[in-house]
Amino acid sequence: GDSVTQMEGPVTLSEEAFLTINCTYTATGYPSLFWYVQYPGEGLQLLLKATKADDKGSNKGFEATYRKETTSFHLEKGSVQVSDSAVYFCALKANSGYALNFGKGTSLLVTP
Amino acid sequence: DAGVIQSPRHEVTEMGQEVTLRCKPISGHDYLFWYRQTMMRGLELLIYFNNNVPIDDSGMPEDRFSAKMPNASFSTLKIQPSEPRDSAVYFCASSLDVRQPQHFGDGTRLSIL
Repeated sequence: GDSVTQMEGPVTLSEEAFLTINCTYTATGYPSLFWYVQYPGEGLQLLLKATKADDKGSNKGFEATYRKETTSFHLEKGSVQVSDSAVYFCALKANSGYALNFGKGTSLLVTP
Repeated sequence: DAGVIQSPRHEVTEMGQEVTLRCKPISGHDYLFWYRQTMMRGLELLIYFNNNVPIDDSGMPEDRFSAKMPNASFSTLKIQPSEPRDSAVYFCASSLDVRQPQHFGDGTRLSIL
């Protein structure tokens, strides 16, 4: 079945460092891919999405490119801030499906 | 837009008690989803509705779990009787249609003692 694999956390970075959180997926066909962010005590918020190969999703300085050849959707940000500390979830939705299939989440801590 | 509203935010109860979680989706959204989040299993889909009708409940763990959507603006997830292993954060989400992103509520943190 469909699945998403994320790098294990926690990830600890200093402010202004470069961020990469790896995400790979297994799915048939061409799923839609998402990154959600969860701040402490809150629900998940959509960060960015991509619906077809080579699409780049971007929001708030974060980017991710849908790579069909490597079945990946890695999240990147050039310069992280303390306020980016949160748990990040990669997810996919099959074209024929309705529900999201989430990775386990990666916790990010940014220190001043 | 008020977003997806869940209540209560926190619930602590004793094993064997009935627990009812509530969700108000975003107005106009035709799809409603219930998820459970645990450290061990991450985020799991329990059930989803389309136009108030349950479409897929294959994620509901046991018969002790039930969900209803009596109208377009309200859904409940009920656990009866509750057990300690039901302790988790339960999220409700809604979306306009199948192609649109899901919007999540802030969740209900459930602790069964």
